[in-house]
Amino acid sequence: AQTVTQSQPEMSVQEAETVTLSCTYDTSESDYYLFWYKQPPSRQMILVIRQEAYKQQNATENRFSVNFQKAAKSFSLKISDSQLGDAAMYFCAYRSDYNQGGKLIFGQGTELSVKP
Amino acid sequence: DAGITQSPRHKVTETGTPVTLRCHQTENHRYMYWYRQDPGHGLRLIHYSYGVKDTDKGEVSDGYSVSRSKTEDFLLTLESATSSQTSVYFCAISAGGDSGYTFGSGTRLTVV
Repeated sequence: AQTVTQSQPEMSVQEAETVTLSCTYDTSESDYYLFWYKQPPSRQMILVIRQEAYKQQNATENRFSVNFQKAAKSFSLKISDSQLGDAAMYFCAYRSDYNQGGKLIFGQGTELSVKP
Repeated sequence: DAGITQSPRHKVTETGTPVTLRCHQTENHRYMYWYRQDPGHGLRLIHYSYGVKDTDKGEVSDGYSVSRSKTEDFLLTLESATSSQTSVYFCAISAGGDSGYTFGSGTRLTVV
């Protein structure tokens, strides 16, 4: 079974600085998707970025980028020029093949605080 | 989110009572999921559905049952609520393939 691990329960960053959130996963599959979701206090789950395992190029979305290391099974999220609105819980997630229901498997989450 | 609604948004119930949470979608997506969120555990899959009357268990299915008699509705039932089922419950939908997921706003359930 696939597992996702986020080893940093809490992180803190100064406004305008850069922060990296870590995520590792375990799988025997070769094709899969990885995601980072943001959950602000409103509880809404917001997709930040996604990465297809077959793509070697790291995904980027404005100030958000990932470092995808397939052999190491690592998928970290870098937030550049951090803003107060980035403060939230961040979840790393793995999507299994749809032959197994396309389930999302989540890590434990990292609570990010942004200091003004 | 647009296209998916969960009800109720909050509920307090007593131990031993049955509880049903509803997830309704207007997107006609094939896949529907129920997760629970607890501190230190992230979101864990309870049950999921890949079509009408087609459901399967997730990693934390004990004490829960589901039903999907229509494409648009996925019901989660706690037959006899326990305090350990106090949690925030999320429904999610997906069309499959390369499509993403849409999450509901969550239901905060407190079992006293």
